[in-house]
Amino acid sequence: EVQLVESGGRVVRPGGSLRLSCAASGFSFNDYGMNWVRQVPGKGLEWVSGINWNGGRTAYVDSVKGRFTISRDNAKNSLYLQVNSLRAEDTAVYHCARSGTTEGSFYYYMDVWGKGTTVTVSS
Amino acid sequence: QSVLTQPPSASGTPGQRVTISCSGSNSNIGRSPVNWYQQLPGTAPKVLIYSNNQRPSGVPDRFSGSKSGTSASLAISGLQSEDEADYYCAAWDDSLNAHMFGGGTKVTVL
Repeated sequence: EVQLVESGGRVVRPGGSLRLSCAASGFSFNDYGMNWVRQVPGKGLEWVSGINWNGGRTAYVDSVKGRFTISRDNAKNSLYLQVNSLRAEDTAVYHCARSGTTEGSFYYYMDVWGKGTTVTVSS
Repeated sequence: QSVLTQPPSASGTPGQRVTISCSGSNSNIGRSPVNWYQQLPGTAPKVLIYSNNQRPSGVPDRFSGSKSGTSASLAISGLQSEDEADYYCAAWDDSLNAHMFGGGTKVTVL
């Protein structure tokens, strides 16, 4: 079964840091680009970051540039998001999502989603 | 305010046809494929339509997508109670170098 399982979310103080992880299974992880998408409860979806198959290309939404870093370890079938200098507006459920093509980039649609991990930034 | 503009809500009775619009610009819908996602309450999003009008396997043919210029639309024909969900359009934006989502449309089956 193709599956993505996120972990690492917790309550953190403003200015704090976290490392979110996404464990992939059931498919050839190193064939696919990957993404992080977040959602404030009751609000819409916001794409946060994407990474191509070998980590050589990444992109971020403007609001997280310089604070968040996406990475992957193909040997461990894992995707990561290092989140630093957290702000209240970063509070959200963070989903990892697979790019829907084996071309290896992250510009396409997202065909497999994890259930998400919750990050709460609060003092 | 989202780069892609959707109506916040839409509704219909069972069996009716509902259409959701998505308006963008030349840097996103105008040059990139449009994708649609369905999010049922309490669940992760699921791709409903990709590359403007393609349905993944398992998605009923009641769902269809189209695109013209800088706008796209999702149509649900033969509306069913299980279609009550939030629907999001999305496209890659070449200027922002980012995926953009619409604000979402909540579909209610009356």
